[in-house]
Amino acid sequence: SQKIEQNSEALNIQEGKTATLTCNYTNYSPAYLQWYRQDPGRGPVFLLLIRENEKEKRKERLKVTFDTTLKQSLFHITASQPADSATYLCALTYSSASKIIFGSGTRLSIRP
Amino acid sequence: EAGVTQSPTHLIKTRGQQATLRCSPISGHTSVYWYQQALGLGLQFLLWYDEGEERNRGNFPPRFSGRQFPNYSSELNVNALELEDSALYLCASSKGSGSMTDTQYFGPGTRLTVL
Repeated sequence: SQKIEQNSEALNIQEGKTATLTCNYTNYSPAYLQWYRQDPGRGPVFLLLIRENEKEKRKERLKVTFDTTLKQSLFHITASQPADSATYLCALTYSSASKIIFGSGTRLSIRP
Repeated sequence: EAGVTQSPTHLIKTRGQQATLRCSPISGHTSVYWYQQALGLGLQFLLWYDEGEERNRGNFPPRFSGRQFPNYSSELNVNALELEDSALYLCASSKGSGSMTDTQYFGPGTRLTVL
């Protein structure tokens, strides 16, 4: 069965640095990969979607890459701020677009 | 614009009982999704409803069921509760184009505790 691994349970970064989170998957490549942010006690919030034929997507300080050869997506937050501290989830959707699989998330902490 | 709402916020049940969780989507959204988020396991896809029909379900036993009403609100029922059903249950909605790539907007969740 398909598995998703997010690089680590927790990541601590100094304010102002670039935070890089990793999402690796096994087996066949998804058609779409999404990133969500989740704060404690709240539901996830959609951030970015990237398609399998796209290499990179940007939104303000966020950048997502998708490498189907490495079976990996990288999520970058540049000029990180303490307000970026949250859990970040990646999610895969396949070409049938009828199922979605979430990773377990990486808890990001930005220290001042 | 009101977001996705869920009720109740917290629910405490004992093993063997039934639980009913409710979700109201954003106005204009026709798709509703249910997820289970247990500690350390991440979000597990449960059910997807669109236009009143069940479109897909995740790898959960049949005692997890639900329905979508004509006003697009939805209900998740969990029968014969087990201790491992304790989790945060999240509902999400989307505009409903027949695809799970539509942006999903999540509610705050219902915390179910089974004693």
